[in-house]
Amino acid sequence: SQQGEEDPQALSIQEGENATMNCSYKTSINNLQWYRQNSGRGLVHLILIRSNEREKHSGRLRVTLDTSKKSSSLLITASRAADTASYFCATDGGSNYKLTFGKGTLLTVNP
Amino acid sequence: DVKVTQSSRYLVKRTGEKVFLECVQDMDHENMFWYRQDPGLGLRLIYFSYDVKMKEKGDIPEGYSVSREKKERFSLILESASTNQTSMYLCASRPLGQPQHFGDGTRLSIL
Repeated sequence: SQQGEEDPQALSIQEGENATMNCSYKTSINNLQWYRQNSGRGLVHLILIRSNEREKHSGRLRVTLDTSKKSSSLLITASRAADTASYFCATDGGSNYKLTFGKGTLLTVNP
Repeated sequence: DVKVTQSSRYLVKRTGEKVFLECVQDMDHENMFWYRQDPGLGLRLIYFSYDVKMKEKGDIPEGYSVSREKKERFSLILESASTNQTSMYLCASRPLGQPQHFGDGTRLSIL
């Protein structure tokens, strides 16, 4: 079953604006990961945040994690047309080997 | 950089055929995974393997089997292909507790 659920399902913004995507999950986690997928390609790992971390930055990406609310957000600042892609969160429960992926947010950045 | 290579980007097969999808990783990762991705359903785990000759069912194993005879290679087998197995298939690998690395996917059409 899918644990991570992204919100919104689709997001359309103008170049230069910030994009925020949210992820909710149901059970306890070891870490939460965000991935990006360009159309017709495989997923690429963006950032991992551990359960004892609240915020993490990588370039124009900022991820927050609120374990009390079982939610995470991914912020992309100063978006570019090349950021157009689907973004997925994935939870790692730590007790087995697999990740559980959400259904993704399709981000469109208009030039 | 980790490289996960899937043998075909596009594949067309006929109903009832036995289909083999191959995946090779070059980083000595213990864990390997097969997913299928369908519009509106996100990534669904078919099978995963945590060691050579070891495998575990994912969320949707019916109609599929896998083989892992060597650490670097993980094969997905459709025993008797059906039209409802038309999908994008993604292979991934990772060391335990670390992010997954994905191949570029195989778009499989069953006619």
